[in-house]
Amino acid sequence: DVKVTQSSRYLVKRTGEKVFLECVQDMDHENMFWYRQDPGLGLRLIYFSYDVKMKEKGDIPEGYSVSREKKERFSLILESASTNQTSMYLCASLPRTNTGELFFGEGSRLTVL
Amino acid sequence: QKEVEQDPGPLSVPEGAIVSLNCTYSNSAFQYFMWYRQYSRKGPELLMYTYSSGNKEDGRFTAQVDKSSKYISLFIRDSQPSDSATYLCAMRNQAGTALIFGKGTTLSVSS
Repeated sequence: DVKVTQSSRYLVKRTGEKVFLECVQDMDHENMFWYRQDPGLGLRLIYFSYDVKMKEKGDIPEGYSVSREKKERFSLILESASTNQTSMYLCASLPRTNTGELFFGEGSRLTVL
Repeated sequence: QKEVEQDPGPLSVPEGAIVSLNCTYSNSAFQYFMWYRQYSRKGPELLMYTYSSGNKEDGRFTAQVDKSSKYISLFIRDSQPSDSATYLCAMRNQAGTALIFGKGTTLSVSS
């Protein structure tokens, strides 16, 4: 069964802290994505990666960075968390020969105090 | 104009009702159209997928794409309380990898 796993479901961090959100997929997919989801704003793309060590900015990359050292793992990094980064973060993956079906993880709910 | 517009609702219906959810879009290059369902505190899961124009049916769910009007719909027949969720439309063009999502419509089906 297809699986995208986000290691932390709920996190509470303080302003200025460095935050790592980890995502692992077991489907050998080339493409991986990080979205954030906020009420009234929907899903917004932060970054995506189409291969190991490759990354592309999405619509809202400011304040975020990503790392893809292995095909199965895509990490989202908040260098210095701020309160406006309180959100639900969703990781997703997609095979190269894609039909458009993104497979999502369960989400990581981050609260920055 | 936003690329994808979706009425956020909320939409409340009684059990057994027919539900119609809709999205409009502005980019005529979109070729792949999807509907995702998202239960509370869960990630979205693919519900329906359509390539180009036409209809697709899967049980109680029917997806329609009208490219001439840039309009897609999801119909739910005989709605059930278990259909209560947020429904997200999504689409992309032939070359694109990233999906463009609507903001989602929250549906509540009461028994």
